[in-house]
Amino acid sequence: KQEVTQIPAALSVPEGENLVLNCSFTDSAIYNLQWFRQDPGKGLTSLLLIQSSQREQTSGRLNASLDKSSGRSTLYIAASQPGDSATYLCAATTSGTYKYIFGTGTRLKVLA
Amino acid sequence: GAGVSQSPRYKVAKRGQDVALRCDPISGHVSLFWYQQALGQGPEFLTYFQNEAQLDKSGLPSDRFFAERPEGSVSTLKIQRTQQEDSAVYLCASSLRPASETQYFGPGTRLLVL
Repeated sequence: KQEVTQIPAALSVPEGENLVLNCSFTDSAIYNLQWFRQDPGKGLTSLLLIQSSQREQTSGRLNASLDKSSGRSTLYIAASQPGDSATYLCAATTSGTYKYIFGTGTRLKVLA
Repeated sequence: GAGVSQSPRYKVAKRGQDVALRCDPISGHVSLFWYQQALGQGPEFLTYFQNEAQLDKSGLPSDRFFAERPEGSVSTLKIQRTQQEDSAVYLCASSLRPASETQYFGPGTRLLVL
């Protein structure tokens, strides 16, 4: 059974800092892994989707990597801004299924 | 273009009441998912539709939960005889094709059972 863990649970950084959010999964037979952003009281916004055959994806200041052998994914945020403050969730789909298994998220606060 | 929409956005129910939550997926999206998100937790899978067929309902917590998508577009999640533990945000997501596609999420319905 796939389990997804995210650390840290919360993170507070000064504006401009580069930071890394971590996501671990127990079943390496993942089909894809997706990073989401969730603002308070809002739904989820997709940030990056990494297929199992890919090692990383980039979008603007965001870079997500995937290492299936170690069961880890990281989300790198460059030059953080106060507008990046939100909860970041990773979710994995295991091969043969279609449903996402989510981590509990990392609450990020970027201080101006 | 329009995203996934959900209604109502907020629902307060007395324990024992029945509720119905609506999801309008992105037009043309084949797959539709329902998730339940408790406070401070990540979303948990409830059920999945491919067109009108409910292919997986393994995440529904009890037989009080029922979902349908009769014409392969709009979906309704119904909760009968609501309990306090049903209080959560219910998220709907859709994707153009199964499995490999990005899931697009609606804003959710926040249900509070008193």
